[in-house]
Amino acid sequence: QVQLVQSGAEVRKPGASVTVSCEASGFTLNIYNIHWVRQAPGQGLEWMGWIDTMTDATHYQQKFQGRVTMTADRSISRASLEVTGLTSDDTAVYYCARVEVTAIPLILGMDLWGQGTPVSVSS
Amino acid sequence: QSVLTQPPSISAAPGQKVTVACSGSSTNIGNSYVSWYQQVPGTAPKLLIYDDDKRPPGIPDRFSGSKSGTSATLGITGLQTGDEADYYCGTWDTSLNGAVFGGGTQLTVL
Repeated sequence: QVQLVQSGAEVRKPGASVTVSCEASGFTLNIYNIHWVRQAPGQGLEWMGWIDTMTDATHYQQKFQGRVTMTADRSISRASLEVTGLTSDDTAVYYCARVEVTAIPLILGMDLWGQGTPVSVSS
Repeated sequence: QSVLTQPPSISAAPGQKVTVACSGSSTNIGNSYVSWYQQVPGTAPKLLIYDDDKRPPGIPDRFSGSKSGTSATLGITGLQTGDEADYYCGTWDTSLNGAVFGGGTQLTVL
């Protein structure tokens, strides 16, 4: 079955870090980039950045520069997102989504999403 | 404040048709391809439309997309109660060099 399976819910205190994983099942990561999108409670979708799973090149939204790290391990078909320096504003559901590699960004859309990982930040 | 602008909510009766508007600028919709996503509360978004007007396999032809200039539109015909969800437009912004989304439109099927 073609799917992205994410790790489970996390609870952290302010200032801590969290890592969310995203495992590809039923397809190979090679021809896809993995994007990360988060959604705060009751809010819309917020794009965080993406990783080229072939070259490990990354591009982060400026807002998250210095606080976010995206990695990929093709050998186990897994991508990961680490967020450091957590604050209550980082409380959200974090999604990974695949995008087929093309010359034109996002022309094919984010065609497969993980189930989401809730991250709660509270003292 | 989202880069793309959508109406917060719309409603219509079963069997009717609705359109969801998405407004952007020359650096995003005017220069890139638009996708539409459906998100039933409590679940992950699902791709409905890509490349402005194309449907992935399995998406019924009741859903359609169009684009003109710096605006895009999602159309849904033959509304069903199962269509109740939040709908998001998304595209690439060449100025920000990143993906952007609309704020989402909540569809209620009365």
